[in-house]
Amino acid sequence: DTGVSQNPRHKITKRGQNVTFRCDPISEHNRLYWYRQTLGQGPEFLTYFQNEAQLEKSRLLSDRFSAERPKGSFSTLEIQRTEQGDSAMYLCASSLARIGGEQYFGPGTRLTVT
Amino acid sequence: AQRVTQPEKLLSVFKGAPVELKCNYSYSGSPELFWYVQYSRQRLQLLLRHISRESIKGFTADLNKGETSFHLKKPFAQEEDSAMYYCALRGGSYIPTFGRGTSLIVHP
Repeated sequence: DTGVSQNPRHKITKRGQNVTFRCDPISEHNRLYWYRQTLGQGPEFLTYFQNEAQLEKSRLLSDRFSAERPKGSFSTLEIQRTEQGDSAMYLCASSLARIGGEQYFGPGTRLTVT
Repeated sequence: AQRVTQPEKLLSVFKGAPVELKCNYSYSGSPELFWYVQYSRQRLQLLLRHISRESIKGFTADLNKGETSFHLKKPFAQEEDSAMYYCALRGGSYIPTFGRGTSLIVHP
């Protein structure tokens, strides 16, 4: 499978714990996006990278959230001191850096904070 | 600010009936508009974009700048069209804004 992959697919954690998710984009894609999706809503933009540079972050991304893409390939999204409100599907997408570049989505990581 | 509104959470039709999923947007410049689809247990995928002016799986969407709309249409719905459909807008940055989605159910 040469598509975008995300690990883990499901994560259950207790409030206050830290979690880290990984996204592996399509290899030639230099743009990588993170989204959060809650029930009944569309994906909400969190942050995106072009190569290893984090170019934009949403106001939704509180100080407890951090994302990295150290070598311009895979990316990690860490949530510190998780809260029940963090329960959601976290989606990763990648694309080429060109006008009209299509975003290809991963299957998502479903986070449940108990 | 950019905003996408999909007024219907659910659209239920019978096979062979015409389908129109509504999308209205708010953006001061010239946006790129997209429709994404998510079939059951599958990942979100691009269905079509306005700049391509193409028909995919029998679906078309026309950008109406006067009405700020990008409705998705299909003349004869099929059962396999049942899915979640998301309208998305991309403005001057590369960051898309998604609508909340419309669940389309096509009954046999």
